[in-house]
Amino acid sequence: GAVVSQHPSRVICKSGTSVKIECRSLDFQATTMFWYRQFPKQSLMLMATSNEGSKATYEQGVEKDKFLINHASLTLSTLTVTSAHPEDSSFYICSARIERGWNEQYFGPGTRLTVT
Amino acid sequence: AQSVSQHNHHVILSEAASLELGCNYSYGGTVNLFWYVQYPGQHLQLLLKYFSGDPLVKGIKGFEAEFIKSKFSFNLRKPSVQWSDTAEYFCAVKSYNQGGKLIFGQGTELSVKP
Repeated sequence: GAVVSQHPSRVICKSGTSVKIECRSLDFQATTMFWYRQFPKQSLMLMATSNEGSKATYEQGVEKDKFLINHASLTLSTLTVTSAHPEDSSFYICSARIERGWNEQYFGPGTRLTVT
Repeated sequence: AQSVSQHNHHVILSEAASLELGCNYSYGGTVNLFWYVQYPGQHLQLLLKYFSGDPLVKGIKGFEAEFIKSKFSFNLRKPSVQWSDTAEYFCAVKSYNQGGKLIFGQGTELSVKP
């Protein structure tokens, strides 16, 4: 089956620093990847759609200068949280879409970000 | 506003009880429908999906769901739950009117008492 990995699984950083989260499709190529944010006991909120070789498309209300997305290859997308603040603490989940058949999305295990 | 709604925030059942979790959506046009499960400390896993054809779909672990187009619903069912079904359940809709983005409901926490 299709596998999506994320690194790191957990990260703690100080307020004002930047954190990079990687999302990799391990056994398939993904032209399109998605980044979600999940608050405790809440649903997944789509933050942005990452397209290989082009700029990401951000959802309304998501600051593109704060959440930098780079999709430099067909197997890797990165999310960088710049100048992190405690309110950015959350669970970040990526998803990669297989561009064949039903275009199914596969989810990574998530990254727990804590900003102190 | 267009959305995906799950009726129950937290459901508590005893083992062997039957389960039905409600999901309604408000998107028009062609939709694909999904139920995902998130076990404690684990990542999202696909339980089942509906793309077309028979509106009653069967998934893993004895789960099934029925797509009722006239009601914009896709309820999840299981005849007899087990303690191991304790998890968070998410309904999700992919609407081609929304650019094919996968939009999630609020989630339902299921607690099964042994």
